[in-house]
Parts: sequence; C-alpha cells; structure tokens
Amino acid sequence: KQEVTQIPAALSVPEGENLVLNCSFTDSAIYNLQWFRQDPGKGLTSLLLIQSSQREQTSGRLNASLDKSSGRSTLYIAASQPGDSATYLCAVRMDSSYKLIFGSGTRLLVRP
Amino acid sequence: EAEVAQSPRYKITEKSQAVAFWCDPISGHATLYWYRQILGQGPELLVQFQDESVVDDSQLPKDRFSAERLKGVDSTLKIQPAELGDSAMYLCASSLDPKSRYEQYFGPGTRLTVT
Repeated sequence: KQEVTQIPAALSVPEGENLVLNCSFTDSAIYNLQWFRQDPGKGLTSLLLIQSSQREQTSGRLNASLDKSSGRSTLYIAASQPGDSATYLCAVRMDSSYKLIFGSGTRLLVRP
Repeated sequence: EAEVAQSPRYKITEKSQAVAFWCDPISGHATLYWYRQILGQGPELLVQFQDESVVDDSQLPKDRFSAERLKGVDSTLKIQPAELGDSAMYLCASSLDPKSRYEQYFGPGTRLTVT
C-alpha cells in the first residue's frame, strides 16, 4: 500500500529565505507526482506536476524534483515571501489506479 | 479561467440528519473525484467517476454515503445519516481523463460540521 510522508509537518522561516519541503513515498511505481498549495479553509491549487519520466519542473520561484527510484520529491521555494504562507501537499498518482494519494502536508509560515 | 464549482461552501448539521453537496466540474472534464479531508490530514479519495460511471468507490462508506453523476456532468454527494466523525472538508476535483498526463483541478470545498 502506497504511503506518502511529508517532513517537516510545520516550518517557520524569515522572509527571503530559500527553503526545501520534502515528500517521500514507499512504492516507486508512480505515474506522476503533483505539488499543491492549500490556504486555510480553502481548496487546493496545483503548483507543479512531474511525470514519472521527468526529473524536475520549474515555475517561477518554485522548483520541484523527483527521484523515483529512491521515492523522494522536493519542493524548493526561492526567496520566500509572507504570501507563500500556506500548507503544501504532495500527491502521487499510481500506475495501477491513477488516483491521487496525498501526504499530510507541510504547514509553512513565512515571517515578515 | 474555468473553475470547479461547489456548493454550499459551509454546512452545519446535526447528527442523524441528511446532507448533500453539489459539484460542477470544468466543462469537458470527463473525470470527477470526491475527496474528504480531515483537519490536519491530506485529502482521501471517496469516489471517482468516469463520465456517469463509478470507477473507484473503494473508500466510500456505502452504508451512509452515496454519490451520483447522472448525466456525466455535475455530481451530488450525500450523507445519511450524518455522524460526528463526518466533520471534514469535502473537495471535488475534475480532470480531462484519468489516464492522461493532465492535472486534477480542485474546487473550493464544502466545510461540513456535524454537531
């Protein structure tokens, strides 16, 4: 059974810092991996989607990497801003069922 | 920009009552998903539709939950009777199809509180 783990559960950093959020999964037979942002009480906004054949994806200040063989993905946020404060969730889609399996998220606070 | 619509945004109900949520996916999206997200956890898939057919409802508590997508467009998720443990955010998502490279797009969610 696929399990997705996100570390740390919470993170507080001063504005301007570069930071890395970690996601690990137990079954490497994934179809793709997606990073989401969730603001309090709101739905999910897709940030980056990495196909299983890709190593990384970039969008603005965000860079996501994928090491399928070791079951790891990282989300790198450059020059963090208070507006980046949110919960960041990673989710994997399996080859077999195509449903998304989520981690519990990392709650990020960027202090002004 | 097209969005997934959900209503209501908030619902408070007493236990043992019936409650229903509605979702309208992005136009043209054949696949629709209902997720439940308990506070502090990631979303968990309850049911997945491909057009009007259910393709995965393995995590749906069928004794009290039901879902339908009669015309393959919008969908309704019902709980009857509601229990205290059903308090959660219910999220709807859609995608062009389940086997594509495409992302799932999520609606704003319905926050359910059962008292």
